[in-house]
Amino acid sequence: DIQMTQSPSSLSASVGDRVTITCRASQGIVNFLAWYQQRPGKAPRLLLYTTSRLESGVPSRFSGSGSGTDYTLTISSLQPEDFATYYCQQYYITPWTFGQGTKVEIK
Amino acid sequence: EVQLVESGGGLIHPGGSLRLSCAASGFAVNSNYMNWVRQAPGMGLEWVSVIYSGGDTYYADSVKGRFSISRDNSKNTLYLQMKSLRAEDTAVYYCARALSNGWPGDAFDIWGQGTVVTVS
Repeated sequence: DIQMTQSPSSLSASVGDRVTITCRASQGIVNFLAWYQQRPGKAPRLLLYTTSRLESGVPSRFSGSGSGTDYTLTISSLQPEDFATYYCQQYYITPWTFGQGTKVEIK
Repeated sequence: EVQLVESGGGLIHPGGSLRLSCAASGFAVNSNYMNWVRQAPGMGLEWVSVIYSGGDTYYADSVKGRFSISRDNSKNTLYLQMKSLRAEDTAVYYCARALSNGWPGDAFDIWGQGTVVTVS
């Protein structure tokens, strides 16, 4: 199975900060990577797919990059509604696997 | 409106069986890959199973041989039959639609609200 490792596991940031979350796959996943946001008690929401393609309706402050085994989610200017947990997911080889999550908290 | 609504969760004893349902609206359940994803209390997301539009199915090793994914196109509903349930199967179970039928897979763009399964 492909292991997905996110870092950090949690972070504290202020409104307006630039935030970067990384995701490393245990083998190359050829850009078949998605990012999700999950607020407490809610279902995950797709933010980005194929590494950098923004899902419809997602604000442009979210962006993604990467290749091979290393990928990044960037929030350019953190907004109050962005405090949540973020997950990466590879869909290159079954079993599809998720990172362990990164909780973004208010500083 | 494109929507998924799960049902069928509940409290079940270890060794028991349960069938989850996921009713789709706004699209045909056989038009995209359909998945089940679960989340144990306080934990991250775990992919459980997929059924492709052509009918092929795959499972996580943790549920292989115990869970079975299926769909009823006439009811536009996805199912997850769960048998020999264990305490570690306790989780919120989400159904999720893949963006497309693209190879090798695709991200999950539509999620249900989840249904809670407690094995105790």
